[in-house]
This record gives sequence, structure tokens and C-alpha cells, in this order.
Amino acid sequence: SAVISQKPSRDICQRGTSLTIQCQVDSQVTMMFWYRQQPGQSLTLIATANQGSEATYESGFVIDKFPISRPNLTFSTLTVSNMSPEDSSIYLCSVRRDRGDHNEQFFGPGTRLTVL
Amino acid sequence: GQNIDQPTEMTATEGAIVQINCTYQTSGFNGLFWYQQHAGEAPTFLSYNVLDGLEEKGRFSSFLSRSKGYSYLLLKELQMKDSASYLCAVTDSNYQLIWGAGTKLIIKP
Repeated sequence: SAVISQKPSRDICQRGTSLTIQCQVDSQVTMMFWYRQQPGQSLTLIATANQGSEATYESGFVIDKFPISRPNLTFSTLTVSNMSPEDSSIYLCSVRRDRGDHNEQFFGPGTRLTVL
Repeated sequence: GQNIDQPTEMTATEGAIVQINCTYQTSGFNGLFWYQQHAGEAPTFLSYNVLDGLEEKGRFSSFLSRSKGYSYLLLKELQMKDSASYLCAVTDSNYQLIWGAGTKLIIKP
């Protein structure tokens, strides 16, 4: 499995501010993803973080609101900009690893964000 | 559209057996995953099926029928620590993961 760490693990932020979440993987991975999981909901993919190029965003998510960096194959950041209470959620970094006959996806511990 | 259905919540007794079903309609199929997620924690990988049949791994087994768009996760000898949400996810033709909403499993003594 991949060892994935995220910082911060949790934060409480004021409306209108921004928070940058860091994701560090213990080995190089091609595919990194950012998910959101709102209370009582399943996982929603925000974007695929591409190394050396702009992230690929899913429908409903835009770069101005969720800018993503991926400077190398082991690190990525997600920024939640101009936050509102609706952004209160768990944000999860995830990586996909080729296991031969299939790809396996692993998740970081998550960042629990509360916006007041 | 793409859709994955699983029951919202199930209750079972410690020591018993429970089966969590998942049906899917996706554009293409490249494998089905089951994940376990304890409250407040990230999902952890349980199983992967790409061919029809049963995959057994200790107390957990996962079954797949591609022709029926159906899978189940079977948990035997239930323990209190098995109380969690169980997420079904399917990889479509573009290798995108489509997630179900999860089944909350409650284990009672």
C-alpha cells in the first residue's frame, strides 16, 4: 500500500478565507486525486492532479475555487478559496497504483474542514 | 447516466453473517471495489473483483456477476469493530471510479 499524509488534519476557518491542504506520498505515483466527502455523503471527485500541468476538474468544480498544484510525483496541494460554510467537509487526497491486473486506490487520512 | 445502488443502512448481530448488495449501471466496466470506512476516517481497501465469481479473504468475501451488474460483500463472524460504512465503487470504461453512497452497517451485541 501507499503511505499518504495530509496536513492539516483538521481546521476551523472563517468565511471568506482560504486554506491550503498538503498531500505527501511516500513514493512516486502517476495519478493523484482530490475528493470531498460532505457529512453523510459518499466521495465526490474534485479533480485529478496532473504533474507538470493543470489539474483536470470534474463538473461543478473550478480552478478559481479549488486551485491545485502538483510540482512533483510525490506531492500535491489543494486550496479551498473564499470559503463558505458549504465548504465544510472532509477533503481526501488519493493515489492510484498499478497492481498488475488492476489499479488500486489508496486514501490519505483526510482533512476535516469546518467553515464558520 | 452512471449509477451505483446500495442499501443506506443495515443492522446485524455480533457473530452473525451479513450480505451487503451493490448494483451498478456504468458506461463500461473495468472492475469493482469494496472499501470500508469508519466514521471520521478515510476509506480502506477491502476487495477487488473484475471476473465473475467469489473472492474470499478471511472473514470477508466479495462476489461479482457482470451480466447482472451486481456484487455483494459478505461479512462473516461479525465483530463490533465491523461497524462502519461499506462503499461500493466501479471503474468505468475511462478508468474513472464511480462511487456508491455507502451502506452504514450497525452491529449489535
